[in-house]
Amino acid sequence: DTGVSQDPRHKITKRGQNVTFRCDPISEHNRLYWYRQTLGQGPEFLTYFQNEAQLEKSRLLSDRFSAERPKGSFSTLEIQRTEQGDSAMYLCASSLARRAHGTQYFGPGTRLTVL
Amino acid sequence: DAKTTQPTSMDCAEGRAANLPCNHSTISGNEYVYWYRQIHSQGPQYIIHGLKNNETNEMASLIITEDRKSSTLILPHATLRDTAVYYCIFHRGNQFYFGTGTSLTVIP
Repeated sequence: DTGVSQDPRHKITKRGQNVTFRCDPISEHNRLYWYRQTLGQGPEFLTYFQNEAQLEKSRLLSDRFSAERPKGSFSTLEIQRTEQGDSAMYLCASSLARRAHGTQYFGPGTRLTVL
Repeated sequence: DAKTTQPTSMDCAEGRAANLPCNHSTISGNEYVYWYRQIHSQGPQYIIHGLKNNETNEMASLIITEDRKSSTLILPHATLRDTAVYYCIFHRGNQFYFGTGTSLTVIP
């Protein structure tokens, strides 16, 4: 399968702990996006990379959140000092920037539960 | 504001066409309309997108009104596996703005 993959699929942590999620995009895609989705809501944009450059960040991305894409391939999303309100599905998507419009292809998500 | 308006929920009989409407009155001339669906606990799945003309692929058809203020996604022969939440989305800049979508239930 050459789609977007995310790891882990599920993460349970205690409040105050740090967590890190990984996303591997479709290999030829140079844009990578992170979204957060809470129960009953649609995904909300967090941040996006073009190659290794982080070009846009949502106001939802507090100081406790950091994302990297060091070599322009896989990306990590870290949440420090987790809070119960961080419990959500974290989705990664990738697209090809050469196109005038970019169809985003989503991974299966990482479901985070903060106890 | 890049918002779309969709019915909260719809039912469709198995084997019949499912017609899902979407209003996007604030869409600009160069912004595409995308449709995705999300089956419970999975990532959103791309269905189709369009700018001005009607589009068809192996999954669905997309009908866009001439003024581009609304569109309809058509699943020609709905199956039980089409039960999902369907999102009609702007592609504005580099972001997708999701709403709460339409929860489609296909009934046997």
